[in-house]
Amino acid sequence: NAGVMQNPRHLVRRRGQEARLRCSPMKGHSHVYWYRQLPEEGLKFMVYLQKENIIDESGMPKERFSAEFPKEGPSILRIQQVVRGDSAAYFCASSPGGGGAAFFGQGTRLTVV
Amino acid sequence: DQQVKQNSPSLSVQEGRISILNCDYTNSMFDYFLWYKKYPAEGPTFLISISSIKDKNEDGRFTVFLNKSAKHLSLHIVPSQPGDSAVYFCAASVTGGGADGLTFGKGTHLIIQP
Repeated sequence: NAGVMQNPRHLVRRRGQEARLRCSPMKGHSHVYWYRQLPEEGLKFMVYLQKENIIDESGMPKERFSAEFPKEGPSILRIQQVVRGDSAAYFCASSPGGGGAAFFGQGTRLTVV
Repeated sequence: DQQVKQNSPSLSVQEGRISILNCDYTNSMFDYFLWYKKYPAEGPTFLISISSIKDKNEDGRFTVFLNKSAKHLSLHIVPSQPGDSAVYFCAASVTGGGADGLTFGKGTHLIIQP
């Protein structure tokens, strides 16, 4: 499967727990983006990463959220001490860079109970 | 402040007719524009894009028009088919340096009626 892979597809966490969302980019893509879609909203940019580097995290909440894209393995979006307001669909996209189109994964739907 | 605006939350079009989805932007630095289609519970799927050096790009039934002076772009789908029913997102980016994350509009839900 050559597409962007996200897992899990659905994640349920209790308030205060940690959520880890994984994203494997398309083969040959070294740029990864995370977006969040809240109910009735469009997609909001969170963070842009290249291998081992955070390029732009201007859309990330200042606390509890972090992202990484290690040299080996998938990109991880980590949310610590989740709250109900974190419930959303989180989408990862990848691109080869240079301003080309980004291709999205199917998303992880996080529900905080 | 929304930099990319899709002012129509929904649009209903009869099968076989033309669907026109509109998008306005405020950031004059945007130089690359894209349309994505999204079905429920799936990720957005790239449809078509246009660079700011062009005013039109066509791919099969899909055509995107860009009017830079008006900061407006539109997606035309003709003829519209039932499978086109989805949410369509307009997106824009600044290329050539810095972060090239996409800025999305809130989407327009297109409903194709038989």
